[in-house]
Amino acid sequence: EVQVVESGGGLVQPGGSLRLSCAASGFTFSNYWMHWVRQAPGKGLVWVSRVNEDGTITTYADSVKGRFTVSRDNAKSTVYLQLNSLRVDDTAVYYCVADRGWEPKVWGQGTLVTVSS
Amino acid sequence: QPVLTQSSSASASLGSSVRLTCTLSSGHSSYIIAWHQQQPGKAPRYLMKFDGSGGYKKGSGLPERFSGSSSGPDRYLTISHVQSEDEADYYCETWDTKTQVFGGGTKLTVL
Repeated sequence: EVQVVESGGGLVQPGGSLRLSCAASGFTFSNYWMHWVRQAPGKGLVWVSRVNEDGTITTYADSVKGRFTVSRDNAKSTVYLQLNSLRVDDTAVYYCVADRGWEPKVWGQGTLVTVSS
Repeated sequence: QPVLTQSSSASASLGSSVRLTCTLSSGHSSYIIAWHQQQPGKAPRYLMKFDGSGGYKKGSGLPERFSGSSSGPDRYLTISHVQSEDEADYYCETWDTKTQVFGGGTKLTVL
């Protein structure tokens, strides 16, 4: 079964850090771009970051640039999102998405990050 | 960067057809888009990628009653024979070398 599974979410204080993981299975991970997308409570989808197949190209939304870092380990079929200097408005469900050319995108079930004091 | 515009809401009666619209910003009318569905309380689900020239790739198991079409900068998602489980938020997405962008989403209500 083709799937991606996120983990690592939780409650963190403003200014804190968190690392999210996304484990892929059922497809050749190293052939796929990987994205992180978030959704604040009651709001729409917002793209956060992406990394190319070998991890050499990373891109970020302006709202997280300089605070979040995406990386991947193809040997473990896992992509990571390091969240630093967290703010209250970073509170959201974070989704991992696998993407390759014309192939269907694969969404995970999401992991909730809550930033609150 | 591209911008995607979607109506905030739409409605359709059971068994009818509905067409949802996603409009690409000026200068981006040839872009490929993807459609995603998010049922209440669930994660988004990929529906299809669509290039505006008739080329598309549907997700696995997507019913035939979901189809895509286009006219200029407008990308359409048409749902035929609307069913109760089609009540959901529908998002379009596009991308370029610098970014990915989602539309604001359309909330489809099934009457």
